[in-house]
Amino acid sequence: SQQGEEDPQALSIQEGENATMNCSYKTSINNLQWYRQNSGRGLVHLILIRSNEREKHSGRLRVTLDTSKKSSSLLITASRAADTASYFCATPNSGGGADGLTFGKGTHLIIQP
Amino acid sequence: EPEVTQTPSHQVTQMGQEVILRCVPISNHLYFYWYRQILGQKVEFLVSFYNNEISEKSEIFDDQFSVERPDGSNFTLKIRSTKLEDSAMYFCASNKDRVSNQPQHFGDGTRLSIL
Repeated sequence: SQQGEEDPQALSIQEGENATMNCSYKTSINNLQWYRQNSGRGLVHLILIRSNEREKHSGRLRVTLDTSKKSSSLLITASRAADTASYFCATPNSGGGADGLTFGKGTHLIIQP
Repeated sequence: EPEVTQTPSHQVTQMGQEVILRCVPISNHLYFYWYRQILGQKVEFLVSFYNNEISEKSEIFDDQFSVERPDGSNFTLKIRSTKLEDSAMYFCASNKDRVSNQPQHFGDGTRLSIL
């Protein structure tokens, strides 16, 4: 089964606007993570939300988690050109601990200056 | 801030040859991982490693693949008899401990091109 599927696959907005990306997953989790990948680079951890949390903020990032719907959203407020990247949600393979991660296909975000 | 480093950044190899990808995880981390990303596709988990043994592996990680921590700092991925479809970015990651809810730290990857 596919775990961590994001939508939209691509999103293009004007600088200063907010960007929202969604992620759905299928199995039980104890946390969900969001990562950013700039072109040709590795993955950078953005934020982790635990299964008992509904919302979490970090700077211009806001993440929500709805375990009943098995979905999460990542909101980037006041977007900047430097936010142009691919964004992935990821969930632990077996529920937590030091498990490997299953990633979604990602949302490619383009911020137009 | 400590980083995960990977070498080489780009590896070109003839089909059928063996290749070794190298990673230096963050020094006080205990859990190590390999992932791959075929061009334009999502990141896929290959294997996790702890206490000198494999903790978990995916269906992709078949007998063609092996991992090793040959010394106190390096973590390697060996691909025997490479195939064209092994062409991908390979990412190493590390995690500090077994406490739940810890993020993984990724290197910048090795681009493997099989000719």
